[in-house]
Amino acid sequence: GEDVEQSLFLSVREGDSSVINCTYTDSSSTYLYWYKQEPGAGLQLLTYIFSNMDMKQDQRLTVLLNKKDKHLSLRIADTQTGDSAIYFCAEGRNTGFQKLVFGTGTRLLVSP
Amino acid sequence: GAVVSQHPSRVICKSGTSVKIECRSLDFQATTMFWYRQFPKQSLMLMATSNEGSKATYEQGVEKDKFLINHASLTLSTLTVTSAHPEDSSFYICSARDVQGVSWGNEKLFFGSGTQLSVL
Repeated sequence: GEDVEQSLFLSVREGDSSVINCTYTDSSSTYLYWYKQEPGAGLQLLTYIFSNMDMKQDQRLTVLLNKKDKHLSLRIADTQTGDSAIYFCAEGRNTGFQKLVFGTGTRLLVSP
Repeated sequence: GAVVSQHPSRVICKSGTSVKIECRSLDFQATTMFWYRQFPKQSLMLMATSNEGSKATYEQGVEKDKFLINHASLTLSTLTVTSAHPEDSSFYICSARDVQGVSWGNEKLFFGSGTQLSVL
């Protein structure tokens, strides 16, 4: 289908790791992204991965890409209460310019 | 980092009135800006792509006469919701592409903080 899918909700305890999963649809997407949205705010780019990579690490964030299964994940190490937000994955579809198609979003709740 | 300013952050209007939302790139030039709509607890849906000096490109199902887009300069795009109705109530977000960002990696794409529109 056309949808980029994510699980709706994830709850973790402070200090644990969080893993947010995403299944995308367009195998030709060049870049895949993770964005964070706090309540009533716009989107903040967290990280992105080029489609010919299978892993990217950026401080507490680790992105894993399984291109064969079109599966993307974001691991947040040592999750903090400030990480509570909605996380969107997005695929960059090449339509002349790169058009972002966003996932359904995963609400992460971090409890003390 | 680059900043995209979106105003107003919140607007409440009566049914039938028009509302204008501004999206400004503050420290870079943006030949392309994007307008998204987000319903509660749902994803962002691309509405249209705004190109400086030319007509906007609308996504399928988005009424161009309802959602007027103007991109008259390299730093400003506006979205006008004409004759707003309660079903137009939503969170609208813009993003702007840094004109220097020739890379396909959208690390050069910056988002505004969004506008919550409530139509009574």
